[in-house]
Amino acid sequence: EAQVTQNPRYLITVTGKKLTVTCSQNMNHEYMSWYRQDPGLGLRQIYYSMNVEVTDKGDVPEGYKVSRKEKRNFPLILESPSPNQTSLYFCASSNSGSVYNEQFFGPGTRLTVL
Amino acid sequence: LAKTTQPISMDSYEGQEVNITCSHNNIATNDYITWYQQFPSQGPRFIIQGYKTKVTNEVASLFIPADRKSSTLSLPRVSLSDTAVYYCLVGVIYGQNFVFGPGTRLSVLP
Repeated sequence: EAQVTQNPRYLITVTGKKLTVTCSQNMNHEYMSWYRQDPGLGLRQIYYSMNVEVTDKGDVPEGYKVSRKEKRNFPLILESPSPNQTSLYFCASSNSGSVYNEQFFGPGTRLTVL
Repeated sequence: LAKTTQPISMDSYEGQEVNITCSHNNIATNDYITWYQQFPSQGPRFIIQGYKTKVTNEVASLFIPADRKSSTLSLPRVSLSDTAVYYCLVGVIYGQNFVFGPGTRLSVLP
């Protein structure tokens, strides 16, 4: 089944404790991205990657890191999480060869930073 | 990336046709218009995309006037399961820094 998977789905952590949220897609998509969603603010893009070893900042990159060492994986790293990073996070991927810009989203990761 | 404006919320009843309009006055020549649907605690799901005139698929229709400064998503005969947030995005097909606005919260009532 074609899908985007994220792990963990739920995470409660404390301020300053480094964490990584993994994202993997099995559709051989070149493009991957991370979003955060907060009440009243819609989805805001954190980082995106057009291909392996190519990443760029989105709207709200501060406090986050990403890497794209393999085509299928795009982990989101919070080196020193803070309470304002409590949010619902989504990973997405899309195929550059597709006629439509159809992004496929993962199930989301709900992060709480205490 | 062209900024979009949509109504914050809309109510409808089962069986009715729902039209959600998105304004994008600064749309660029290369921009496409894409709509996504999101249910609570799920990731957005692609609905439809178009460049001009009318596009129809099994889920919805998208109407784009000649000046392309707005677009209308049309959902025929909505059901309770169509209750969701609908996002309008405007941008090039690939590689863009995508911005999802607050979207339109559609509530379908019995």
